[in-house]
Amino acid sequence: GEDVEQSLFLSVREGDSSVINCTYTDSSSTYLYWYKQEPGAGLQLLTYIFSNMDMKQDQRLTVLLNKKDKHLSLRIADTQTGDSAIYFCAEISSSASKIIFGSGTRLSIRP
Amino acid sequence: DTAVSQTPKYLVTQMGNDKSIKCEQNLGHDTMYWYKQDSKKFLKIMFSYNNKELIINETVPNRFSPKSPDKAHLNLHINSLELGDSAVYFCASRRGTRITEAFFGQGTRLTVV
Repeated sequence: GEDVEQSLFLSVREGDSSVINCTYTDSSSTYLYWYKQEPGAGLQLLTYIFSNMDMKQDQRLTVLLNKKDKHLSLRIADTQTGDSAIYFCAEISSSASKIIFGSGTRLSIRP
Repeated sequence: DTAVSQTPKYLVTQMGNDKSIKCEQNLGHDTMYWYKQDSKKFLKIMFSYNNKELIINETVPNRFSPKSPDKAHLNLHINSLELGDSAVYFCASRRGTRITEAFFGQGTRLTVV
């Protein structure tokens, strides 16, 4: 079946890098996303990666994809207090009809 | 201009009541979704519509009935509300059913008392 897993919490010091990890089960996933949810808000697409890519960089964000291990990570460089949020990993189902979300990782920043 | 808008943003109602949540998107997308986010922040798909036709119904109780009057709207009607229906409901839209990003509304926080 289709499943996406993430750890629930991550705490980092301001200015350090944050790395949020995700594993998925659907090997036919062609498109993987990272969404951000701030308190009381909706989901905002941060970045995405095609399955034929290993890495994608977008300013402070770096996405790494290990297709063999079905492992996806999001690295946020120079983490700031404004990065505090829940980060969701998501994949498109093999039928391309639905987006399946992980449980979300709550990122907290300490001074 | 809000791409995907939901109304109301907050809804507090008593058990047993019937309520509706409306969703509209102005992106010209032809696929729309309803997701439920529980208190632990888990997001589960409920329904998906493509060109006004239901394509996914994820074993949601039949007290929940989506209605898509046109491609730009997907409303959610809930009958006989129960305490366990309390959650945040998100509407989303996407172009086609292929590999494109989904845009989400701001959510409707439903509280059943």
